[in-house]
Amino acid sequence: QVQLVQSGAEVKKPGASVKVSCKASGYTFTSYDINWVRQATGQGLEWMGWMNPNSGNTGYAQKFQGRVTMTRNTSISTAYMELSSLRSEDTAVYYCARGRGVYGDFDYWGQGTLVTVSS
Amino acid sequence: QSVLTQPPSASGTPGQRVTISCSGSSSNIGSNTVNWYQQLPGTAPKLLIYSNNQRPSGVPDRFSGSKSGTSASLAISGLQSEDEADYYCAAWDDSLNSWVFGGGTKLTVL
Repeated sequence: QVQLVQSGAEVKKPGASVKVSCKASGYTFTSYDINWVRQATGQGLEWMGWMNPNSGNTGYAQKFQGRVTMTRNTSISTAYMELSSLRSEDTAVYYCARGRGVYGDFDYWGQGTLVTVSS
Repeated sequence: QSVLTQPPSASGTPGQRVTISCSGSSSNIGSNTVNWYQQLPGTAPKLLIYSNNQRPSGVPDRFSGSKSGTSASLAISGLQSEDEADYYCAAWDDSLNSWVFGGGTKLTVL
C-alpha cells in the first residue's frame, strides 16, 4: 500500500532552517511528483511547491521563492523540504503529498510534521 | 485571504443533503479541474473528489462534485456523523502558477 512517512516534530529558533523528510513506499518513487502543503494551527491549507523525483525539477509558490528548497534521494525513496530564515509565522504542520500529474490531484498524504518556530 | 472562496461553515442533520460551494476565477476554476479534500479532526487531508466529479476508490457515492464556469460545489447526501470534518476545494491557478485552496468549510452534523 502507498505510504508517505514524514520525519518527527521540530522546534527551531527564528532565523534557523528546518529540513523535513518524506519517505515513500508502496509505489515507484520516481513516477509521481511530491508536493508540500502546510497548515498553520486552525488555518487552511497552503501549497508550497512541487518536485519531480525523477528529474529533480521543482516549482515553488511565489511566497516561498528563495526560502524553500525541495530535493530527493532516489536510492532511499525520500523527498526533502528545507525552509530557511524561519519566522514565527512559519509555525505549522507541513505535509508531503503525492501528486498525480494526469489528474492534477494529491492522492496520498504524509501524516504531517509539526514545525514550531519560537525563541 | 484565500484565492478560492468557501463558506466557513455548513451544517445539517443526519440523513440530510448539504452542499458546499467554492468560487474562483477564470485563471483557476474557470480553466482547470477542481479537487476536494476532506480533513477529519487531527488527521491529514484525504482526496475526496478529483477532476471535478470523480470519486477515488473507497469514497462513498454519497459524495459528489460538480463545476460550472468559475464555481464548483461538493454535495453530501445521506449525511452521517462521521462526515463531520473540514472540506477544502483546490485548483491550479494559471496566473499564479500555483495550486490554490479554498479557506475550508467546517461541516457540523447536528
